[in-house]
Amino acid sequence: GAGVSQSPSNKVTEKGKDVELRCDPISGHTALYWYRQSLGQGLEFLIYFQGNSAPDKSGLPSDRFSAERTGGSVSTLTIQRTQQEDSAVYLCASSGTGDQPQHFGDGTRLSIL
Amino acid sequence: GDSVTQMEGPVTLSEEAFLTINCTYTATGYPSLFWYVQYPGEGLQLLLKATKADDKGSNKGFEATYRKETTSFHLEKGSVQVSDSAVYFCALRLTGGGNKLTFGTGTQLKVEL
Repeated sequence: GAGVSQSPSNKVTEKGKDVELRCDPISGHTALYWYRQSLGQGLEFLIYFQGNSAPDKSGLPSDRFSAERTGGSVSTLTIQRTQQEDSAVYLCASSGTGDQPQHFGDGTRLSIL
Repeated sequence: GDSVTQMEGPVTLSEEAFLTINCTYTATGYPSLFWYVQYPGEGLQLLLKATKADDKGSNKGFEATYRKETTSFHLEKGSVQVSDSAVYFCALRLTGGGNKLTFGTGTQLKVEL
């Protein structure tokens, strides 16, 4: 499709398990972002990739969170040893160069039991 | 730090009523300002934007003017429709800030017949 694709759309897992969330950006977009949307916290920036530059990880809440972007395209957000407070909708966005707006995927709803 | 403050919802209006959703910001530089909309069951979509003081963004009958003197970017629409029911997010992006967006907490709008 033409938009940002995220998978899975829903994920339920037990506390302490690791999870991987995937994002396929719009073809040709050089920038990719991860955000988290949770009750009481709103939408929070997590991490930003731009081309081959080092990612901006300033929004990652703890060292249990990590992300990578392979080949300048697909990105995976990994949460290790999940906690209940990690329950949220994780949103991915991509954008082209310069002042281009960010296009968002539909998100992955993560529930930690 | 940089932040965005929105009026709390839900806002409930009758169809054809006038809408205002207040948004103010705090930023260390000169941000670009955005309104995003999230319709039920859908992802975030860019509604409108303004990149410098006194710019007016507009789309689908919605307008917002970048007011540097009051650090505000209030969203307005003259006559709302049931189909406008959604959650509206105000956001800022700093120039040179890596393109990451800082969001407000969102305001839910419900339009009734």
